[in-house]
Amino acid sequence: ETGVTQTPRHLVMGMTNKKSLKCEQHLGHNAMYWYKQSAKKPLELMFVYSLEERVENNSVPSRFSPECPNSSHLFLHLHTLQPEDSALYLCASSQDWRNTEAFFGQGTRLTVV
Amino acid sequence: AQKVTQAQTEISVVEKEDVTLDCVYETRDTTYYLFWYKQPPSGELVFLIRRNSFDEQNEISGRYSWNFQKSTSSFNFTITASQVVDSAVYFCALSDPLKDTGFQKLVFGTGTRLLVSP
Repeated sequence: ETGVTQTPRHLVMGMTNKKSLKCEQHLGHNAMYWYKQSAKKPLELMFVYSLEERVENNSVPSRFSPECPNSSHLFLHLHTLQPEDSALYLCASSQDWRNTEAFFGQGTRLTVV
Repeated sequence: AQKVTQAQTEISVVEKEDVTLDCVYETRDTTYYLFWYKQPPSGELVFLIRRNSFDEQNEISGRYSWNFQKSTSSFNFTITASQVVDSAVYFCALSDPLKDTGFQKLVFGTGTRLLVSP
């Protein structure tokens, strides 16, 4: 495998469910990101991790909880979401904090019902 | 604050036409990076180009070319002889330093949907 891989590709969950999104990068990068893409809105940065430490939490509600166990893996744990959280969640990685050339995964299309 | 404006929401062309996607940005920084990404229906953002603010030379890569005009804060993207496979949403982005971290994030425009018909 190459690049950035996200699973699952599609997810439907109820507002009381708990689920997790997974991201894996095979590029040897040290920084990983979660972005949210909602309809008709610009991509929004949610979280940034560098060498497994969180660098940025862009005012994201606590119902989204990231986890970065190592530099190759990034998770986004979801609980008690709202219908307005339905969106495409994109994971990205870059070589390090100086290199903003981010490579993206295919995203997880999340629908909250 | 950093801002990227892509005024064209959707463009429709016929195959083999040339098309230009506009991008205008606002930044307080003297050093910054500009990007273009392509998002096909599969969802993945595909990196196309990164341009340093000190390098105003235009760049050509096959049918793609980019025109960086610092004086007008624009970074436009032209596809020559468009093909059906070029149909996608194209995003322009600008680097934005994260305060007190040394990190930079990307600020995206709202994207331009390009439809190329046979």
